[in-house]
Amino acid sequence: EAGVVQSPRYKIIEKKQPVAFWCNPISGHNTLYWYRQNLGQGPELLIRYENEEAVDDSQLPKDRFSAERLKGVDSTLKIQPAELGDSAVYLCASSLGAGPDTQYFGPGTRLTVL
Amino acid sequence: AQTVTQSQPEMSVQEAETVTLSCTYDTSENNYYLFWYKQPPSRQMILVIRQEAYKQQNATENRFSVNFQKAAKSFSLKISDSQLGDTAMYFCAFMKNNDMRFGAGTRLTVKP
Repeated sequence: EAGVVQSPRYKIIEKKQPVAFWCNPISGHNTLYWYRQNLGQGPELLIRYENEEAVDDSQLPKDRFSAERLKGVDSTLKIQPAELGDSAVYLCASSLGAGPDTQYFGPGTRLTVL
Repeated sequence: AQTVTQSQPEMSVQEAETVTLSCTYDTSENNYYLFWYKQPPSRQMILVIRQEAYKQQNATENRFSVNFQKAAKSFSLKISDSQLGDTAMYFCAFMKNNDMRFGAGTRLTVKP
């Protein structure tokens, strides 16, 4: 069974440019998470989806970040415009349902903003 | 808010030896879940072990086991017979209602 798929693996952009990350969760997993992991730190939740509904986006900087999960399957996270401080690894995870299910992570996208 | 503390930024162990990674957390909740994740240089976070707070028995997975002390809010990970492939960042995580909080991680190096 395929795991969580993310693309691209690496992205280098100039500040003020837009960038988008894509995630395809494990088949059948209804809950999808986007995390940001700064260097030397643990992941921090940006947004959580249950099916196509964003149920926790309290940590998402809404002035420049947006996310969507239109059909309740794959998801896109966008930053526009990017700032230097956005350089980080962006991780996607999925879990089976809304209960206390184990989260399975993708390989992440390393974003570098110059 | 729940916080997770990993007080050991870096640790090393000789191959085949045993090492224990520490984790403490702060919560007023009674029912929750605790996890240890491994993150090798490839960046993929891999679940190592999971513990339900309502279970008194410590979880074990092959060479990995935990010492869960609920009253002390402590959740340490013991790795027995360390292997070179265990070299990675290890993150302790607390989860309640699908809200997962991670510690800052411990970088473990297994030396040949």
